[in-house]
Amino acid sequence: DADVTQTPRNRITKTGKRIMLECSQTKGHDRMYWYRQDPGLGLRLIYYSFDVKDINKGEISDGYSVSRQAQAKFSLSLESAIPNQTALYFCATSADSTYEQYFGPGTRLTVT
Amino acid sequence: RKEVEQDPGPFNVPEGATVAFNCTYSNSASQSFFWYRQDCRKEPKLLMSVYSSGNEDGRFTAQLNRASQYISLLIRDSKLSDSATYLCVGSGAGSYQLTFGKGTKLSVIP
Repeated sequence: DADVTQTPRNRITKTGKRIMLECSQTKGHDRMYWYRQDPGLGLRLIYYSFDVKDINKGEISDGYSVSRQAQAKFSLSLESAIPNQTALYFCATSADSTYEQYFGPGTRLTVT
Repeated sequence: RKEVEQDPGPFNVPEGATVAFNCTYSNSASQSFFWYRQDCRKEPKLLMSVYSSGNEDGRFTAQLNRASQYISLLIRDSKLSDSATYLCVGSGAGSYQLTFGKGTKLSVIP
């Protein structure tokens, strides 16, 4: 079984809808991250969390919110989806005091 | 200026060839560097960590040049399965965030 899982894997939604992307991990890592990837722009950090009570904005947090429900779960919400949020979204984890991050399989989100 | 820059390619090389990618970084305080591999529409996967003097893992060798602020990845005896996009990654100073380059695409052809 995969150590980092994301649901859903694919989602098509309409402008203005609220949507939640979920991430779970069994690696026992405290640190979790949400990225989006767009063609030609690379990976950009949206939010990150170093433990359940620690949430931090990344490079592009506007239009997004997160919830760290437990050590193993980190959810990303789009409060009111817009077309330019169409992208591939990745969750990642890392252990304390290390930089190496491990990624989930991604969620392909399309906002029409 | 993007903190981590790399040539997007594509690099088209025959099987068995040796290919090298370079990457430059602007944050002189970055402590750690990595190469990740990403297959089309898949998640990035850690290929190698690159510390101080670099390291080697089988056909792959990564080097770090702090004075010139670049890192490199050398792939020897290229295989068809090496075809992917290779992401150069640097750490931030004093934080555990990573900055990703946009990737270099490699195609190994028969």
